[in-house]
Amino acid sequence: QTVVTQEPSLTVSPGGTVTLTCASSTGAVTSGYYPNWFQQKPGQAPRALIYSTSNKHSWTPARFSGSLLGGKAALTLSGVQPEDEAEYYCLLYYGGAQLVFGGGTKLTVL
Amino acid sequence: EVQLVESGGGLVQPGRSLRLSCAASGFTFDDYAMHWVRQAPGKGLEWVSGISWNSGSIGYADSVKGRFTISRDNAKNSLYLQMNSLRAEDMALYYCAKDLDGSIVGARGFDYWGQGTLVTVSS
Repeated sequence: QTVVTQEPSLTVSPGGTVTLTCASSTGAVTSGYYPNWFQQKPGQAPRALIYSTSNKHSWTPARFSGSLLGGKAALTLSGVQPEDEAEYYCLLYYGGAQLVFGGGTKLTVL
Repeated sequence: EVQLVESGGGLVQPGRSLRLSCAASGFTFDDYAMHWVRQAPGKGLEWVSGISWNSGSIGYADSVKGRFTISRDNAKNSLYLQMNSLRAEDMALYYCAKDLDGSIVGARGFDYWGQGTLVTVSS
């Protein structure tokens, strides 16, 4: 049973910077896991932010960036806005048409 | 404009079956793999299943393997999820999502999501 682990919750001040991470129970996350990041606000469908580690969709604000950090996938928000308060999920690819979501990080902007 | 519209959800008794549909528009459907993702009330996202453009590659989460079947009809721009032997733990909002690739299911990730259809499993 593969488990993908994210911080359950994080708090950041408006204008600040925060990094969310995504770890795999199978070992270090590499680019071969094609990490994706999604944002979900209450009552809304998830919205894609980052694919293949660090690539942004056309609608992804510039303040969001993806990377690999210390064996984990990472999502960094720089210059956080109040509207960034949301749940964030990572998604990892394990080959053979197998994908696993992380448990999500609730980001509070306070 | 890409649109994904799920339907087919509803109230079903444990052990019974249900078939979900996802109608796609605004893109060339048969160029892309597609997925089903679910979210139980108050819980996180769970990938359920994915299917390549030509149905040649299919994957399932362990939690649904042997009970759920994903399929697609490219002529109708539609994705389906046949759910059999439903359990209380299958109760969730089911989303369909478009893959960024066609052949390698999930390797690049998703871009567009539908609004979901709610499946309630209760006697």
